[in-house]
Amino acid sequence: AQSVTQPDARVTVSEGASLQLRCKYSYFGTPYLFWYVQYPRQGLQLLLKYYPGDPVVQGVNGFEAEFSKSNSSFHLRKASVHWSDWAVYFCAENTGYQNFYFGKGTSLTVIP
Amino acid sequence: EAGVTQSPRYAVLQEGQAVSFWCDPISGHDTLYWYQQPRDQGPQLLVYFRDEAVIDNSQLPSDRFSAVRPKGTNSTLKIQSAKQGDTATYLCASSFPGEDTQYFGPGTRLLVL
Repeated sequence: AQSVTQPDARVTVSEGASLQLRCKYSYFGTPYLFWYVQYPRQGLQLLLKYYPGDPVVQGVNGFEAEFSKSNSSFHLRKASVHWSDWAVYFCAENTGYQNFYFGKGTSLTVIP
Repeated sequence: EAGVTQSPRYAVLQEGQAVSFWCDPISGHDTLYWYQQPRDQGPQLLVYFRDEAVIDNSQLPSDRFSAVRPKGTNSTLKIQSAKQGDTATYLCASSFPGEDTQYFGPGTRLLVL
């Protein structure tokens, strides 16, 4: 069965510091990969998505992610975190049949 | 443009009661998804439609859960005889024809006592 693993349930960073949120996927082929963000009491919003091609994908609000087939990873990065980035982040994979598999999420806390 | 809307936003019921959730997708989106998101978990797909047809309902607990989208627009998810284990947020999402980017509604938070 397909699965997405986000090994860090909670991450705390200082405002202005850099950020990396980790994601590992299980699909043996090359999946389509996504990062979504969920603010309190809101639905998920797409940050960025990866289709086979350039391994580094740019998203909204300064986020980017890098695909690595050798590591089966799709880590999310941001150079300088803002307090408004405080949210839960979900990694997801789509193996081509409209079936999305989401990770359990990483809760990001930003301290001043 | 209006986003995906869901109602109610919250529901509290006793075990054994029935509940229905309603979703209005973004206009023009042909694919509609229902997800269950338990607390501190990621969304888990229950069922999805393309227009009025069910494409995949393999993760829907068929004995108590049902979902319809009769005119290919709005959709209703119903739970008959709810159990405490059904406590979760139920998310609806929709996507444009030929695209896999999903747009999510705010969800319905269900508490079964």
